[in-house]
Amino acid sequence: QQPVQSPQAVILREGEDAVINCSSSKALYSVHWYRQKHGEAPVFLMILLKGGEQKGHEKISASFNEKKQQSSLYLTASQLSYSGTYFCGTANAGGTSYGKLTFGQGTILTVHP
Amino acid sequence: DSGVTQTPKHLITATGQRVTLRCSPRSGDLSVYWYQQSLDQGLQFLIQYYNGEERAKGNILERFSAQQFPDLHSELNLSSLELGDSALYFCASSGRGVGETQYFGPGTRLLVL
Repeated sequence: QQPVQSPQAVILREGEDAVINCSSSKALYSVHWYRQKHGEAPVFLMILLKGGEQKGHEKISASFNEKKQQSSLYLTASQLSYSGTYFCGTANAGGTSYGKLTFGQGTILTVHP
Repeated sequence: DSGVTQTPKHLITATGQRVTLRCSPRSGDLSVYWYQQSLDQGLQFLIQYYNGEERAKGNILERFSAQQFPDLHSELNLSSLELGDSALYFCASSGRGVGETQYFGPGTRLLVL
């Protein structure tokens, strides 16, 4: 079952902040965040691991609530280049996931001047 | 540039035909993942290989098959193509798999007419 992202779409002006949420019904080992521009490959932003370790981008932060199986991506002081579709991908805890990711449906972020 | 390469970039073919998509992972990466992205289904995991062996399977049709060769490049074979197979096919690679960042290639856009 795929994680659920909210909101489905966000419209911002440059300099504004946004939060994108990702929620799963399964116990998670890791949450991966990507940004994709139309017709291009998803670009890695951030990975959050069970146990609290984070690796990612300087200007973007994220949180991972292991108890609630939820993650949030925080985009601050947005720039035009932040526009795109944001996906969370989740890897389930347990021995058979082997790192495969199940992706949410995406959140479309549009930043206007 | 993620370091993952995919060929061809575009593929146009007819229903009933067979095609092969190729992926070369980043240098040093042992895991290769294949994902399908269509408008109505989003990013769907198909299959994962690790160091030449199949590790995890997702929503991959029986008409589709994949393999990973000793030099670690991977091929995704799609046969008896149907209109609904038209999509973007992405390959991603990572180190061992669990808890590691997956870097996506540029994708192959398949159009079945």
